[in-house]
Amino acid sequence: GAGVSQSPRYKVAKRGQDVALRCDPISGHVSLFWYQQALGQGPEFLTYFQNEAQLDKSGLPSDRFFAERPEGSVSTLKIQRTQQEDSAVYLCASSFPRQGGTDTQYFGPGTRLTVL
Amino acid sequence: GNSVTQMEGPVTLSEEAFLTINCTYTATGYPSLFWYVQYPGEGLQLLLKATKADDKGSNKGFEATYRKETTSFHLEKGSVQVSDSAVYFCALSPTGFQKLVFGTGTRLLVSP
Repeated sequence: GAGVSQSPRYKVAKRGQDVALRCDPISGHVSLFWYQQALGQGPEFLTYFQNEAQLDKSGLPSDRFFAERPEGSVSTLKIQRTQQEDSAVYLCASSFPRQGGTDTQYFGPGTRLTVL
Repeated sequence: GNSVTQMEGPVTLSEEAFLTINCTYTATGYPSLFWYVQYPGEGLQLLLKATKADDKGSNKGFEATYRKETTSFHLEKGSVQVSDSAVYFCALSPTGFQKLVFGTGTRLLVSP
């Protein structure tokens, strides 16, 4: 079956522009995660959905970052008024949660955002 | 807080050499531990995991043992191949949470 897909794969934005990044999780996966990976660093958690409910948004760096998953499937990460420090690869992951356990997260290829 | 510390790279080895990539963690409770791998031009893939103390995760000849007494989860492989060249990330999932906390990654370069 298809894996996690993300679009666009590359995005160049001028400082101050708004961007929207899309994630299509694996069909049937309940949990969806967004991570930000700066160059040469490990991914850092941004936010987590279980179905359409955003259960954890503790990693969002500012109120310019907003994520939604209105129908419990596709998710969009929106960044308003982009700044140069937002330049990074944005990774989406999905998983099918087991009760009482920690589940394997399957990652998409990422969207590389460059803010000029 | 929760954090993961990995040895800095790059790690450069000849084919068939023994590999160790060190990983230590700080966490409350009993986290699950993971190694993810990122091959050139590809996305992150789970390599192996362990969910409780003394568990050994293994896959593709790689192994790592969850050592609670030393808060470590070192990655080992007895004989590396050129195709193992990639960036390896150690990660933990804190108790009661689904999110992953990653280390900074270690680049492995294997030459023929």
